[in-house]
Amino acid sequence: AQSVTQLDSQVPVFEEAPVELRCNYSSSVSVYLFWYVQYPNQGLQLLLKYLSGSTLVKGINGFEAEFNKSQTSFHLRKPSVHISDTAEYFCAVIPQGGGGFKTIFGAGTRLFVKA
Amino acid sequence: NAGVTQTPKFQVLKTGQSMTLQCAQDMNHNSMYWYRQDPGMGLRLIYYSASEGTTDKGEVPNGYNVSRLNKREFSLRLESAAPSQTSVYFCASSGTGTNSPLHFGNGTRLTVT
Repeated sequence: AQSVTQLDSQVPVFEEAPVELRCNYSSSVSVYLFWYVQYPNQGLQLLLKYLSGSTLVKGINGFEAEFNKSQTSFHLRKPSVHISDTAEYFCAVIPQGGGGFKTIFGAGTRLFVKA
Repeated sequence: NAGVTQTPKFQVLKTGQSMTLQCAQDMNHNSMYWYRQDPGMGLRLIYYSASEGTTDKGEVPNGYNVSRLNKREFSLRLESAAPSQTSVYFCASSGTGTNSPLHFGNGTRLTVT
């Protein structure tokens, strides 16, 4: 079975500061990794994904994430955040060969960007 | 580019009433899903449909039924609503590949009194 742990439930940060949202996973098989963002009163939308290849992946809105297989982590980073980045961020995994219905979501991290 | 469209956006029901949540996608995706999102519980899969004509239970199917009406549409029915079904419901769809990400609608906020 797989599990996803987002280590921080809330992250407050000042505008233009860097931010890292941490995600660790547990799985006995290889996984595909995703970050989704949920703005207030909206559904989740894909921020970025790691399927294979380069361990550093870039997504929308200046976010990037690095896959670390030895530490089973997939932390999300942005060098300079904006007020508009205030949202909830979800890390998710799909076991290879599993399909969308096997998506496992973390509990989410609320990013609050302060002026 | 509509993506995944859910109706209604808000609904208030009394205990015992029934309702159907509608979902349609225009991305020609084979797979569709219904999730509920509750504070502190994250997203939990209620039912999914891997392809037109098939439906399967997810993690929390009790109290719900689904219908995959055609490739575009996937509805969720509450036959006799209970306060425990107060939640935000999201429909999602995904393409054929086993690594395809999910595309979500904007949700239905349901309150059962």
